[in-house]
Amino acid sequence: QSALTQPASVSGSPGQSITISCTGTSSNVGGYNLVSWYQHHPGRVPKLIIYEGTKRPSGVSNRFSGSKSGNTASLTISGLQAEDEADYYCCSYTGSTYYVFGTGTKVTVL
Amino acid sequence: EVQLLESGGGLVHPGGSLRLSCAASGFTFNNYAMNWVRQAPGKGLEWVSLIYGTGTSTYYAASVAGRFTVSRDNSKDTLYLQMTSLRAEDTALYYCVKHAGYCSGGTCYSNDHFDFWGPGTLVTVSS
Repeated sequence: QSALTQPASVSGSPGQSITISCTGTSSNVGGYNLVSWYQHHPGRVPKLIIYEGTKRPSGVSNRFSGSKSGNTASLTISGLQAEDEADYYCCSYTGSTYYVFGTGTKVTVL
Repeated sequence: EVQLLESGGGLVHPGGSLRLSCAASGFTFNNYAMNWVRQAPGKGLEWVSLIYGTGTSTYYAASVAGRFTVSRDNSKDTLYLQMTSLRAEDTALYYCVKHAGYCSGGTCYSNDHFDFWGPGTLVTVSS
């Protein structure tokens, strides 16, 4: 399975909203409601922020939200804060080949 | 508190072997599937392998199938990854990752996402 496609970088000013796309195929993103998103600050461990496309684990800010349309999942960060500056990865269940991550997106807060 | 701590990384020559370990605590280890995920220097995350709680079912990414073997010792709350025929492209930080899941009525179920990650152990394959 090829990695899911994400933009290499997205930026925004504090308080703005940004959206990160994650494009796959009908064999992964489009075929299941099983996309998860992870926030990864360099030097720290990745953190689950969205699962099953739209659900937030307890303790994760409601500024993070997920959605899906066809073969593309999206993560929206609203009210952008300096602490949101990190790398973000999507991941999808793929059936027989199990899991595939996205290429990753670096979020910069201007 | 869930804790995962990897060990066993290091420098190995191409074609060599290495065994990684992951000591788990803070949860009932045998109730949960576990994974290995890796990140090559400057690259993104790559799912490597999955093993279910009983240890009887294992799955691998195509890039490592036939060379890597995942196993677990539930009596020691420890996950392993035996890596053979190592290549330069296997150079990465290897994370031990807990599968999300829940237990109900004496049966445990796996969800398709990862809820806890260890700090990782670095594997370098170089001559």
